[in-house]
Amino acid sequence: GDSVTQMEGPVTLSEEAFLTINCTYTATGYPSLFWYVQYPGEGLQLLLKATKADDKGSNKGFEATYRKETTSFHLEKGSVQVSDSAVYFCALYGGSQGNLIFGKGTKLSVKP
Amino acid sequence: DSGVTQTPKHLITATGQRVTLRCSPRSGDLSVYWYQQSLDQGLQFLIQYYNGEERAKGNILERFSAQQFPDLHSELNLSSLELGDSALYFCASSASIRGGEETQYFGPGTRLLVL
Repeated sequence: GDSVTQMEGPVTLSEEAFLTINCTYTATGYPSLFWYVQYPGEGLQLLLKATKADDKGSNKGFEATYRKETTSFHLEKGSVQVSDSAVYFCALYGGSQGNLIFGKGTKLSVKP
Repeated sequence: DSGVTQTPKHLITATGQRVTLRCSPRSGDLSVYWYQQSLDQGLQFLIQYYNGEERAKGNILERFSAQQFPDLHSELNLSSLELGDSALYFCASSASIRGGEETQYFGPGTRLLVL
């Protein structure tokens, strides 16, 4: 079945460091891909998305490019802030199942 | 604030009991989704309702059931509770039936602890 694999956390970075969180997927067809973020004590929020190959999603300085050839959707940010500390979830929609499939989540802690 | 509300925020109960979680979607959204988030299973889709009708089913146990009412709010009923049902239960809503292609807006969750 469809699945999403994310790098295990936690990831701890210093402020202004470069961030990469790896995400790969397995799905039939051409799914849409998403990154959701969960701040402490809150529900998930959509961070960015891409609906077809080579699309780049971007928001709040975060970017991810839909790479069909490597079935990947890695999240990047050039300079993280303490306020970026949260759990990040990669997700897909549109494979064999009619609902969002989430990865396990990666916890990011940014130290001042 | 996503506009999705969930009550209660916290629930503590005993094994074998039954509880009801409530969700009010964003104004105008017709689809409601229920998710379970636990440490071992991660975030799992349970069920989707669209305009009162069941639309999609995920890993929802037979002991669990849901419904969406004419005013579009939804309830998730969990019965014969077990220790392993302890988790954070999220509700999300979206405007149309194809909630994977459009943004799903998540509520703050209900934390259930079964003792």
